[in-house]
Amino acid sequence: DTAVSQTPKYLVTQMGNDKSIKCEQNLGHDTMYWYKQDSKKFLKIMFSYNNKELIINETVPNRFSPKSPDKAHLNLHINSLELGDSAVYFCASSWTGNTEAFFGQGTRLTVV
Amino acid sequence: DQQVKQNSPSLSVQEGRISILNCDYTNSMFDYFLWYKKYPAEGPTFLISISSIKDKNEDGRFTVFLNKSAKHLSLHIVPSQPGDSAVYFCAASGGGADGLTFGKGTHLIIQP
Repeated sequence: DTAVSQTPKYLVTQMGNDKSIKCEQNLGHDTMYWYKQDSKKFLKIMFSYNNKELIINETVPNRFSPKSPDKAHLNLHINSLELGDSAVYFCASSWTGNTEAFFGQGTRLTVV
Repeated sequence: DQQVKQNSPSLSVQEGRISILNCDYTNSMFDYFLWYKKYPAEGPTFLISISSIKDKNEDGRFTVFLNKSAKHLSLHIVPSQPGDSAVYFCAASGGGADGLTFGKGTHLIIQP
């Protein structure tokens, strides 16, 4: 059983489109995250979310929005995709206050 | 502004020898430090961590050392094995649910 799973693994889309990446965790964790790894290989936090609080990295454009239908899922919606959004996006989860996070396999997004 | 720095993009070590990966940080509010290992096309996998109240933590072949006054930590792998070849990320946290701050990673290559 995969602890943190995200779909799709690869996503190729045109500029201006709207897309979503799904994430599910079966670890019972109460906090989930989205990270972005850009072309320079930097892995940066985008959002952290639990049932009480959404923390947004201030550098993230508002075209990006997390949606959590329940504690086990945190989906990432991206509107009006731009070339610079091309990156690998990782979902992760942990217990609040415990910084040992478990990561999904990543979604490689390519905007053409 | 990089708050976590890994100044060696790559490191080559002979099998059986010790691998030493280094990490520096600038934010005095960080109180928890982690090392993650990453293979290509996979998500980061937690390896070992250390709290700021300690200066050493050991788990099998892996030992992490923390020098708070120098704001420096290191990961020692001994003996190094071929399966250790991967990218190693240093990460830090100030606690809570605001996620991890990662370094840029060091590509460790274990040579036979």
